[in-house]
Amino acid sequence: DIRMTQSPASLSASLGETVTIECLASEDIYSNLAWYQQKPGKSPQLLIYDATSLADGVPSRFSGSRSGTQYSLKISRPQVDDSGIYYCLQSYSTPWTFGGGTKLELK
Amino acid sequence: EVQLVETGGGLVQPGRSLKLSCVASGFTFSSYWMYWIRQAPGKGLEWVSSINTDGGSTYYPDSVKGRFTISRDNAENTVYLQMNSLRSEDTATYYCAKGTVDWGQGVMVTVSS
Repeated sequence: DIRMTQSPASLSASLGETVTIECLASEDIYSNLAWYQQKPGKSPQLLIYDATSLADGVPSRFSGSRSGTQYSLKISRPQVDDSGIYYCLQSYSTPWTFGGGTKLELK
Repeated sequence: EVQLVETGGGLVQPGRSLKLSCVASGFTFSSYWMYWIRQAPGKGLEWVSSINTDGGSTYYPDSVKGRFTISRDNAENTVYLQMNSLRSEDTATYYCAKGTVDWGQGVMVTVSS
């Protein structure tokens, strides 16, 4: 199984301070990587798919990148509404595997 | 617009069975693999099952293999998850998904005596 190591587990950032969340895949997943945001009591919402493609309706302050097996989600000038838990998901091989999540608090 | 609506959740005793349904609309259902993903209360996400377009191939993690069965009815645009021999650790919100892009709102399953 492919292991997705997500970091950090939690993060407190100031409004306007760029935030970066990372997922390290244990092997090459060829950009089959998605990022989700989840708010309390809600289902995860897709932000980024195929590592770098912005999902419909997602603000452009969200972006994804890849360097080898390391994948990053960047939130530029985050807003209060960006608080939540963020997950990465690799869908290159079965079983799909998720990162452990990053809890983002904005102050 | 893609819509995925899960039903069938509820409270069930350990060892009993439950069947979840997910009705899809807004896309050509028979052309897509479908998935179930779950999230235990306060925990992360776990892939539970996949099924190919004609239902001939199915996949499960070891945690549910032999107990859960995914199936689909392309005429009814519905994917199912039959869950047998339920355990307390199966307590979770179960999401139906069309690939990584579209997910339903989820249905809660509680396994408790």
